[in-house]
Amino acid sequence: GAVVSQHPSRVICKSGTSVKIECRSLDFQATTMFWYRQFPKQSLMLMATSNEGSKATYEQGVEKDKFLINHASLTLSTLTVTSAHPEDSSFYICSARQGLGSYNEQFFGPGTRLTVL
Amino acid sequence: DQQVKQNSPSLSVQEGRISILNCDYTNSMFDYFLWYKKYPAEGPTFLISISSIKDKNEDGRFTVFLNKSAKHLSLHIVPSQPGDSAVYFCAALTQGGSEKLVFGKGTKLTVNP
Repeated sequence: GAVVSQHPSRVICKSGTSVKIECRSLDFQATTMFWYRQFPKQSLMLMATSNEGSKATYEQGVEKDKFLINHASLTLSTLTVTSAHPEDSSFYICSARQGLGSYNEQFFGPGTRLTVL
Repeated sequence: DQQVKQNSPSLSVQEGRISILNCDYTNSMFDYFLWYKKYPAEGPTFLISISSIKDKNEDGRFTVFLNKSAKHLSLHIVPSQPGDSAVYFCAALTQGGSEKLVFGKGTKLTVNP
């Protein structure tokens, strides 16, 4: 099956620092990658959609200057949380989709637990 | 505004019995529905889906039922096994549109031996 990895799995940082999270599709080329955030006892909320080689599309309420997304290749997307604050502490999950057009299954990474002190 | 609702945060059943997880949605544009299973510290994994043109889809022990008029779907697991213990997320999307997955908050299923 399709495998998506994320690195790191867990990160603790100080307030004001930036954190980069990587999402990789290991055995397929992902034309589209998605970034989700999940707060405790809440839904997975879509933050942004990124297509390889183009700018990410952010959901309403998500600050594009704070959550920088780069999808430079068909197997790698990165999310950088800039100037992180304690309220950014959350579980960040990426997913990758192989095809275009009609619905293609998204494969999820294992997630990254971010704690901002 | 929660477009996909899972009103039961948890469910506990005995091994061998049926587990029924429920999901309601408000957006009538949704036409494809999915169930994901999630273990702690792992990402969600796809379990089963159903298109709005159907009212039932079955895959082994898992069956999803869709009632479009009620905007309600349910996942039946029978017989339930201890390994089924996980958080189950209901998700919905509109095909041909943005195809963004909209998730419910999840239901934690515990299957007791």
